Amino acid sequence: DGGITQSPKYLFRKEGQNVTLSCEQNLNHDAMYWYRQDPGQGLRLIYYSQIVNDFQKGDIAEGYSVSREKKESFPLTVTSAQKNPTAFYLCASSGEAYNSPLHFGNGTRLTVT
Amino acid sequence: DQQVKQNSPSLSVQEGRISILNCDYTNSMFDYFLWYKKYPAEGPTFLISISSIKDKNEDGRFTVFLNKSAKHLSLHIVPSQPGDSAVYFCAASGGGEPSGGTSYGKLTFGQGTILTVHP
Repeated sequence: DGGITQSPKYLFRKEGQNVTLSCEQNLNHDAMYWYRQDPGQGLRLIYYSQIVNDFQKGDIAEGYSVSREKKESFPLTVTSAQKNPTAFYLCASSGEAYNSPLHFGNGTRLTVT
Repeated sequence: DQQVKQNSPSLSVQEGRISILNCDYTNSMFDYFLWYKKYPAEGPTFLISISSIKDKNEDGRFTVFLNKSAKHLSLHIVPSQPGDSAVYFCAASGGGEPSGGTSYGKLTFGQGTILTVHP
């Protein structure tokens, strides 16, 4: 049963701490993405990766970091430099075909206090 | 600068009637448009898409219309069902990327519209 797994579903951290969100896919997709959703706003792209060991900044990359050491995995680290880290984070992947739709995980809700 | 806008935060419709969700965009380089449906605490799921070379695409109860001159697209759901109640996001891609398309997943999303279908 192919899909994207994000863990944990809920995450709580103290301000000033780095936190890493997990994203694993078994769809054999080359491309993976991290989006952030805030209330009343659309999804905004944080980082994306088209192949292993390569990734690019999206529209709101400041305060975040990623790695892509394996095709299946694309973890996102929310650093203490991110000014408003509390949000719903969504990981996605897509196939190679032109305009193949994104497949999303079920998200991680991060709360930083 | 909001390049994709959904100006209606919510829409309420009676079961069996038509739901029309609207979306406007400003970037004339967008060449592919998608609609996603999202339930609370879940990731969005792809619903339907349309290329800029078309003005209509239909899939079962769902039809997307594209008016390029007005930079406007709409999603029609007929007939609406209670299970359609969700948040609907429109998204666009292209915008001058070297290869364009969602193969890079660089979608620009609207703010979403909450659809409620009453039994």
